[in-house]
Amino acid sequence: RKEVEQDPGPFNVPEGATVAFNCTYSNSASQSFFWYRQDCRKEPKLLMSVYSSGNEDGRFTAQLNRASQYISLLIRDSKLSDSATYLCVVNMGEDYKLSFGAGTTVTVRA
Amino acid sequence: ETGVTQTPRHLVMGMTNKKSLKCEQHLGHNAMYWYKQSAKKPLELMFVYSLEERVENNSVPSRFSPECPNSSHLFLHLHTLQPEDSALYLCASSHIGQGDVGYTFGSGTRLTVV
Repeated sequence: RKEVEQDPGPFNVPEGATVAFNCTYSNSASQSFFWYRQDCRKEPKLLMSVYSSGNEDGRFTAQLNRASQYISLLIRDSKLSDSATYLCVVNMGEDYKLSFGAGTTVTVRA
Repeated sequence: ETGVTQTPRHLVMGMTNKKSLKCEQHLGHNAMYWYKQSAKKPLELMFVYSLEERVENNSVPSRFSPECPNSSHLFLHLHTLQPEDSALYLCASSHIGQGDVGYTFGSGTRLTVV
């Protein structure tokens, strides 16, 4: 089983729509969870950390389900600029070691 | 300069060449990383340096040789590479021991081996 698994997509959504996708992780000892965003041919950039109680940053909402070992990202009122690949990132039990999913591609169309 | 700076941005090299990738971080972080990103694949961790000591070497072929002279600089020395080594090489830094450990990435070096 892969350490971090994501649906690669693509998710093609109209502007203004809501899109949500999940990521599963294999290590039950994982303590830190993140969503990164990567634009085409650019480096990944931290979008948000994911906390146990769930958290929101503007139009973005992240949830953590420890029992089922998955995290989710929901994007409300999608903008064209939200088109990117979203990487699920999980700490694998050691401070410095993060494991990356292959990414979920989202394309927002006008 | 701020953040994590990588040079060069693009590199084309022959299989017999020797080249080096450079990474510099201006964030006061105490850990630095090399990752490889091939098309449609997850980022693969190559090396981790914490406080200038190598703490992770993920079964990377010896044709890749890292060097960390101080906590702000990281190099990846390349020699006799193969075409399958063509990829985006990303440097990252973080501060270990301060709760959530997110990474800051450099812009990457897009390497093509011919």
